[in-house]
Amino acid sequence: AQSVTQLGSHVSVSEGALVLLRCNYSSSVPPYLFWYVQYPNQGLQLLLKYTTGATLVKGINGFEAEFKKSETSFHLTKPSAHMSDAAEYFCAVTAYSSASKIIFGSGTRLSIRP
Amino acid sequence: NAGVTQTPKFQVLKTGQSMTLQCAQDMNHEYMSWYRQDPGMGLRLIHYSVGAGITDQGEVPNGYNVSRSTTEDFPLRLLSAAPSQTSVYFCASSLKQGVGYTFGSGTRLTVV
Repeated sequence: AQSVTQLGSHVSVSEGALVLLRCNYSSSVPPYLFWYVQYPNQGLQLLLKYTTGATLVKGINGFEAEFKKSETSFHLTKPSAHMSDAAEYFCAVTAYSSASKIIFGSGTRLSIRP
Repeated sequence: NAGVTQTPKFQVLKTGQSMTLQCAQDMNHEYMSWYRQDPGMGLRLIHYSVGAGITDQGEVPNGYNVSRSTTEDFPLRLLSAAPSQTSVYFCASSLKQGVGYTFGSGTRLTVV
């Protein structure tokens, strides 16, 4: 079965610092990969996705992620953190058995220090 | 265009009661899914559907039923509520494979 591992349940960075949220997946075939963001008491919002093609994917709010097949990773980065980036972030992958079935990681809570 | 609409937003049930969580989307999406969110566990897939009349089980289907009689609606039924079903439930829909899901705002369910 496909799975997603997010390293670090809580990451804290200073405002203006680099944001790096780690995600590794298990898959025997090329997957679709996603990053979602959840603000308090809200649903999830799609940040970016990788399907095929360019391995560096740009999303909303200045975030980007790079698909590295050799490392089975899809880490999320942002060069300069803003206070409004404080939220929970989820990495997700489509299951091998059905590309309509998306499996989520356990999430990483991002805190921004002034 | 309302997106994905979930009702109710909050619900308290007694152990053993049954209820239906409603989910409707107006985007003509074929794919719909139900997830539950628990602290530290991310989102776990309960059931999903790839079109009207077609449903399948996800990671944690026990205690839940679904049906998909129309493209727009995908209700989730709790047959006999248990405290372990206390959670936040999210419905999501997608136009096709690989485009990502649009999520509703969630239903917070407490079973006492």
